[in-house]
Amino acid sequence: RKEVEQDPGPFNVPEGATVAFNCTYSNSASQSFFWYRQDCRKEPKLLMSVYSSGNEDGRFTAQLNRASQYISLLIRDSKLSDSATYLCVVYFHGNQFYFGTGTSLTVIP
Amino acid sequence: DAGVTQSPTHLIKTRGQQVTLRCSPKSGHDTVSWYQQALGQGPQFIFQYYEEEERQRGNFPDRFSGHQFPNYSSELNVNALLLGDSALYLCASSPTTGTEAYEQYFGPGTRLTVT
Repeated sequence: RKEVEQDPGPFNVPEGATVAFNCTYSNSASQSFFWYRQDCRKEPKLLMSVYSSGNEDGRFTAQLNRASQYISLLIRDSKLSDSATYLCVVYFHGNQFYFGTGTSLTVIP
Repeated sequence: DAGVTQSPTHLIKTRGQQVTLRCSPKSGHDTVSWYQQALGQGPQFIFQYYEEEERQRGNFPDRFSGHQFPNYSSELNVNALLLGDSALYLCASSPTTGTEAYEQYFGPGTRLTVT
């Protein structure tokens, strides 16, 4: 079983739509969680860390459910510029970072 | 403030050769991690360096080795190249302490092609 699993999509949504991605992880001792965004043929860029209480940054909301071992990312009012691959990252302290394979999002005009 | 830089940007090598990739971390960061990203996949963790020592290692063979220098820059060496080593190699840096600990910032990567 993979350490981190994501629905690869693709998700094709119209501008202004709300879209949600989920990511599950297998190691219950995992301690830090992140969402990264990666544009085609570019490096991943940190979108946001995910805290136990959930956190919001503008149109983006991240949540963590430790009991069910998943994290989610919600994007409201989608913009064309949100089109990218979204990577879920889990870090087990003293071990390593595990990246999901990414979820592809295309926002359509 | 310069971000993470990597060199070279592209590289073509032949099977069996050896390659060295270089990375300079973001200012203020002392930890460097290396990743391999194949097309259509997420980055796979190779190893992490802190205080000039390999601190953690992913599931990669000994052909993959690295080094960190006193100025925190790092090198990734791959020996006896295989066709399957063709990938984008990403370097990421992060601070060890503070609220941004474990938040990694990536360089643009080195695209390695093995023929």
